[in-house]
Amino acid sequence: DQQVKQNSPSLSVQEGRISILNCDYTNSMFDYFLWYKKYPAEGPTFLISISSIKDKNEDGRFTVFLNKSAKHLSLHIVPSQPGDSAVYFCAASSRTGANNLFFGTGTRLTVIP
Amino acid sequence: NAGVMQNPRHLVRRRGQEARLRCSPMKGHSHVYWYRQLPEEGLKFMVYLQKENIIDESGMPKERFSAEFPKEGPSILRIQQVVRGDSAAYFCASSPGTPDSGNTIYFGEGSWLTVV
Repeated sequence: DQQVKQNSPSLSVQEGRISILNCDYTNSMFDYFLWYKKYPAEGPTFLISISSIKDKNEDGRFTVFLNKSAKHLSLHIVPSQPGDSAVYFCAASSRTGANNLFFGTGTRLTVIP
Repeated sequence: NAGVMQNPRHLVRRRGQEARLRCSPMKGHSHVYWYRQLPEEGLKFMVYLQKENIIDESGMPKERFSAEFPKEGPSILRIQQVVRGDSAAYFCASSPGTPDSGNTIYFGEGSWLTVV
C-alpha cells in the first residue's frame, strides 16, 4: 500500500525554466514532509522539508508547497540547472507515529542544457 | 565530520550465503534506519533502531532478515540464506532523535547487494 505517491516517473525541463515535481499522500496523519535528491550510485541527500503548520517553505532555488486539504505537495526548482538532474523522492512522516519516513517511488528529473 | 558510513559498498553473494551490511551513523546520532530500494522502485522502510533496541521493524521480512544496533559498534543488517530477490540497494540513515531535529534523516551512500 503506497501511502506516498509520485505519479510522474520522469520529467524533462529546459535549463533556466521551472521544474515542478508533484507528490500525493493518503495518510492524513502525516504532518512532516521532505524532499530528497538522489544521484545514481549514491544515497539520497536531504533537500528541503515542510511541516504541516506551513503551506510553503523556500530555500534558494527550491520551494516546497503543501496543500493539506488535497493531500498534495510539490517541489518547485527555479531556475533549473543541469546539475539538478537526479531522482527526487518525496517523503512523509507522522510525529505521532514511529519515527520513520514513507517514500514515494521517485521522479527522475532531466534538465536539458 | 563524517556522514553516515556504510560498508561494504558492493557485495556479491551466492544464493544461500549470508550477507552482512554495516552502518555507522553520523556522530551524535543515536537513531538508525534501514531502507531498501529494489530495482525500479522507491525506498522502502525496513527497520528503525536505537542503541540496543529495535523500535520498529514493521518493514522487515519476517524470515532471514535481522538487524541490530549494539551499544558499541555499527548497526548491522543481516540477511541469511540470500535469494536473488534480495538483490537491491540497502540504505542506512541516521538522525539525532532529539525533539528539535524534526524527522529529517541523513542517508549513507548505500550498500549494493547482488545475489548470483
